[in-house]
Formats: sequence, structure tokens, C-alpha cells
Amino acid sequence: DVKVTQSSRYLVKRTGEKVFLECVQDMDHENMFWYRQDPGLGLRLIYFSYDVKMKEKGDIPEGYSVSREKKERFSLILESASTNQTSMYLCASIASGRGGEQFFGPGTRLTVL
Amino acid sequence: GENVEQHPSTLSVQEGDSAVIKCTYSDSASNYFPWYKQELGKRPQLIIDIRSNVGEKKDQRIAVTLNKTAKHFSLHITETQPEDSAVYFCAASVGRGAQKLVFGQGTRLTINP
Repeated sequence: DVKVTQSSRYLVKRTGEKVFLECVQDMDHENMFWYRQDPGLGLRLIYFSYDVKMKEKGDIPEGYSVSREKKERFSLILESASTNQTSMYLCASIASGRGGEQFFGPGTRLTVL
Repeated sequence: GENVEQHPSTLSVQEGDSAVIKCTYSDSASNYFPWYKQELGKRPQLIIDIRSNVGEKKDQRIAVTLNKTAKHFSLHITETQPEDSAVYFCAASVGRGAQKLVFGQGTRLTINP
């Protein structure tokens, strides 16, 4: 059974704090993604990684960075959290090839006070 | 950049009636078009997809149509049931390999008993 897990379901942080969101997949997928979900805006891509230590910016990378030191783990980092980063964060993974289903994690609801 | 527009943002139909959600995309190189369903509090899950070499695909009560010339694709749900109530997202592939997706803004579908 396919599994993508995220480190927290709910997180509350203060403005200026450094925040780490972690995602782990057990499907040996090469590609991993971080999305941000806001009402009326759909899922917007922050960063994605197509291999260990490889990353590419998505559509809204400002204020975020990522790390992929192992194939199964993809971390999203907010260097200095701000209130406008309050959102739902979703991780996803997919094998390389012709496309297909992206498997999503359960999401992390981050609130920055 | 690549863009996917989705309409309507909300849709309310009577149980048993049909529902149609429409999307347009901007990248003529897009070749993979999935639809995801997200129930309240849950992760998005793939319900149907279509590739650019096919004009229509059906799976029981759901179907997707693709018009490459007009760059639009639609989701059709027939004989709607209360469990169809959810947020639906369309997406289009971008770049090589079709792993990377751009999502529409989402449609909140409500089925009234």
C-alpha cells in the first residue's frame, strides 16, 4: 500500500521562527513535491525534487527552501516564518516515467502567529 | 508561465443529476490531464486521468473529455450521489516527463439530497 506521511498534521509557530516540515514516502519514488493549498487558489507548487540533492523552484518559492538528502525524505523549510505563510502544506510523490498519479500526504496545517 | 483555469468555483446539484466541471490550459505541450477529488479533511486522490492522444475516457459514473485544439477538458459526473460532495481539482502536465503538474483553482461540489 502506497504511503506518504508528513511529520505533523497541525503546527503553530510564531513570526520569525524557523520551521521544518518533513515528508517521507515508502514507494521509492524519484520525484517529490511540496504544494501550498489555499481556498480559491488550488494547489500551488513551491518546490520539487527529481532526485536526491536535486531541486527546482516551483511557482511560489519565495520564503521557502528545501532539502533532499535521502530518496525517501523531502523537507520544506521556512527560514523565518511570516503570517502570510499560514496555510495547508501538502507533500506528494510520483515515480519517473510518463506521468501518472501523484500520491499525496495528509497535509500539515501551519498557523503562524 | 503555465496556467490552468477551472470553473465553476462552486457547484450545487440535486442528487441524481449530472455535474460538469470545466478547465482550460495554456501550455500546448501539456499531454497529461488528471482529476483529483479531495473530501473534507482528507488528501487529494486521483479519480480519473486522460492523455493527449485520447479524446474521452469513462469510468463508471465519471468521464473526462479533452479538446486539444481548444485546450480545454471537462469532468462529467452522472447520477450524482451524496458521497460525490467534495472539492475537485483539474491539472495539466508541464515540462518533460509529465511528472510536474499545474492545478486549477478547485471546484466545491455539493450534492443536495
